[in-house]
Amino acid sequence: NAGVTQTPKFRVLKTGQSMTLLCAQDMNHEYMYWYRQDPGMGLRLIHYSVGEGTTAKGEVPDGYNVSRLKKQNFLLGLESAAPSQTSVYFCASSKRAPSNQPQHFGDGTRLSIL
Amino acid sequence: GNSVTQMEGPVTLSEEAFLTINCTYTATGYPSLFWYVQYPGEGLQLLLKATKADDKGSNKGFEATYRKETTSFHLEKGSVQVSDSAVYFCALSDRGNRDDKIIFGKGTRLHILP
Repeated sequence: NAGVTQTPKFRVLKTGQSMTLLCAQDMNHEYMYWYRQDPGMGLRLIHYSVGEGTTAKGEVPDGYNVSRLKKQNFLLGLESAAPSQTSVYFCASSKRAPSNQPQHFGDGTRLSIL
Repeated sequence: GNSVTQMEGPVTLSEEAFLTINCTYTATGYPSLFWYVQYPGEGLQLLLKATKADDKGSNKGFEATYRKETTSFHLEKGSVQVSDSAVYFCALSDRGNRDDKIIFGKGTRLHILP
C-alpha cells in the first residue's frame, strides 16, 4: 500500500536555487495539502487543493508555488530558495473535507538551504 | 479565529505510568477534534477523533473526550509503553464554517522510559 509518496526524501540546495517537491497519492483523494514542520512551530499549512486544477493559499504561502494538474499529484515549487525555507515538508491527502475524513501523510522531505 | 493550544513538552514518564496531554481549542463554528501521532522519521497519522460534544474517541488504549463546556480534548492513556514515545498533535477542523483545513497544535513530545 503506497498511500502518500513524497519525492525526494532529502535535498540540500544553495540559496537562490529552485526545486520542485512531488507528492503522489494512489487513494483517489480529492483534497491535498503541503505543510512545513519547524521545531516549536508545529505544522503550518503552505498551500492546499480541494480538487484537480484548484489551489489555495494556506498560512505561510510566500516563496512557494503549487500545481495540481493531475488528481493524484500535488507539486510544491521553490522558485528561489532561501535559508528560512530549511524545514521538513509534509504532504497530506484526504478523501473529502478533513472534518469528516482523516488526513493521510507522507513521510516527509527534509530540505536544507545553505 | 480558530486555534489549538496544547501543553508544551517534552513529557517524560516511566513505563506503565498514567498519561494526560492537555489540549484546549477556540472555534467559531462546530469543530471536529483530532489527535494525530508522529513516530520518529515518519509523517503524522490519525490516532483518534470526535465529531460532537461528549463524544469519546479511542484507539490503541488512548482516549479523549470532546468537552464543549471547557473547550477541551485532553488525551489520556492508563498505562504507557516505550513504544508510545512520539510527538502528539491536537487538531481541529471547523465543520460549521465548511472549512477545508485542519488547524494543528504545536505538538507535545512524549518520552517513555523503560
